[in-house]
Amino acid sequence: EAGVVQSPRYKIIEKKQPVAFWCNPISGHNTLYWYLQNLGQGPELLIRYENEEAVDDSQLPKDRFSAERLKGVDSTLKIQPAELGDSAVYLCASSLNMDSDTQYFGPGTRLTVL
Amino acid sequence: DAKTTQPTSMDCAEGRAANLPCNHSTISGNEYVYWYRQIHSQGPQYIIHGLKNNETNEMASLIITEDRKSSTLILPHATLRDTAVYYCIVRVASGLGANTNAGKSTFGDGTTLTVKP
Repeated sequence: EAGVVQSPRYKIIEKKQPVAFWCNPISGHNTLYWYLQNLGQGPELLIRYENEEAVDDSQLPKDRFSAERLKGVDSTLKIQPAELGDSAVYLCASSLNMDSDTQYFGPGTRLTVL
Repeated sequence: DAKTTQPTSMDCAEGRAANLPCNHSTISGNEYVYWYRQIHSQGPQYIIHGLKNNETNEMASLIITEDRKSSTLILPHATLRDTAVYYCIVRVASGLGANTNAGKSTFGDGTTLTVKP
């Protein structure tokens, strides 16, 4: 069974440019999470989806970050415009549903903003 | 969700048991203790979880104190490949589908375990 797929794995952009990350969760998983992980720190939740509904986006900086999960499967996280402080690893995870015990993480996208 | 406290780093000799502590003194009755680990350049990986009783699986054992205010993850025979950051988190128990906090995990900074030859 394929795990959570994320692309790209690495992205380097200049500040003020837009960037998008894509996530394909495990088949049949209804809940999808986007996390941000700064160097040396644990993941921080940005947004959580149950199917196509964002059930928790309280930590998402909505002035520049946006996310969508139109058909309740794949998801895209966008930053526009990117700032230097956005350099981090962006992790996607999925679970069977919101009550599920286990989250499965993708390898992450490492973003560098110059 | 309750917060957890873990040591920043630990060392362990290869082949010996690694015991990783976690304090969660403000844990509430419906919160499980979960452990994940993150090997360099990979996403976190689920290890084990428990509510009250001690748990064991093919990866590790989880010992939860009777008052549930702390727990210990045990890797019985650590190998070099167990070198990773280990996260102890607490989250609302499953079955609370109407609660938007269900399934919400708050990661701290974890314990960096280094297994040495």
